[in-house]
Amino acid sequence: KAGVTQTPRYLIKTRGQQVTLSCSPISGHRSVSWYQQTPGQGLQFLFEYFSETQRNKGNFPGRFSGRQFSNSRSEMNVSTLELGDSALYLCASSERESGELFFGEGSRLTVL
Amino acid sequence: AQKITQTQPGMFVQEKEAVTLDCTYDTSDPSYGLFWYKQPSSGEMIFLIYQGSYDQQNATEGRYSLNFQKARKSANLVISASQLGDSAMYFCAMRELDRDDKIIFGKGTRLHILP
Repeated sequence: KAGVTQTPRYLIKTRGQQVTLSCSPISGHRSVSWYQQTPGQGLQFLFEYFSETQRNKGNFPGRFSGRQFSNSRSEMNVSTLELGDSALYLCASSERESGELFFGEGSRLTVL
Repeated sequence: AQKITQTQPGMFVQEKEAVTLDCTYDTSDPSYGLFWYKQPSSGEMIFLIYQGSYDQQNATEGRYSLNFQKARKSANLVISASQLGDSAMYFCAMRELDRDDKIIFGKGTRLHILP
């Protein structure tokens, strides 16, 4: 069974731009969560989707948004990028609500 | 307040020795789950072990075991017979099932296995 796939793996953007990251969960998994990882703040929860509905949301500004499609694939979007948005963005899928998370390799975003 | 506390930012352990990574948590939710993840330098988070708050026995998965002390709110990860490939960041995490049900992570412990 293929694991969680995140694209792109690496990207560089400039301040003010916007970015869309994609996540394809493990086949059969209906829950997708997103995390931001930085050296200073560690792993911070962004949001979680289950069957196309947002179940949970972390404490991030409205510039961070996400969605989930009917095939469980998920995207997250960050608008008006700031230097502080530079981070590793990790996507994780779960077979069920409240299950353990299986992570992708992440998308490393650098904002210049 | 910190929900998950990992007090060891870094550890050095000799190969083949056992190692204990500390994790304490804070919750008033009676239903919760505790997780440990490993993150090698490649960046991918690898699920290691899970312990439910109602589980009577400590969870074990191969060389990994979770020393669950509920009254002390402690969920330490024990790795037996450490290997060079165990060098990585290790994260303790918790999901409060009756609350908002999202998984939150500790700051992590960087483990170095010495040959």
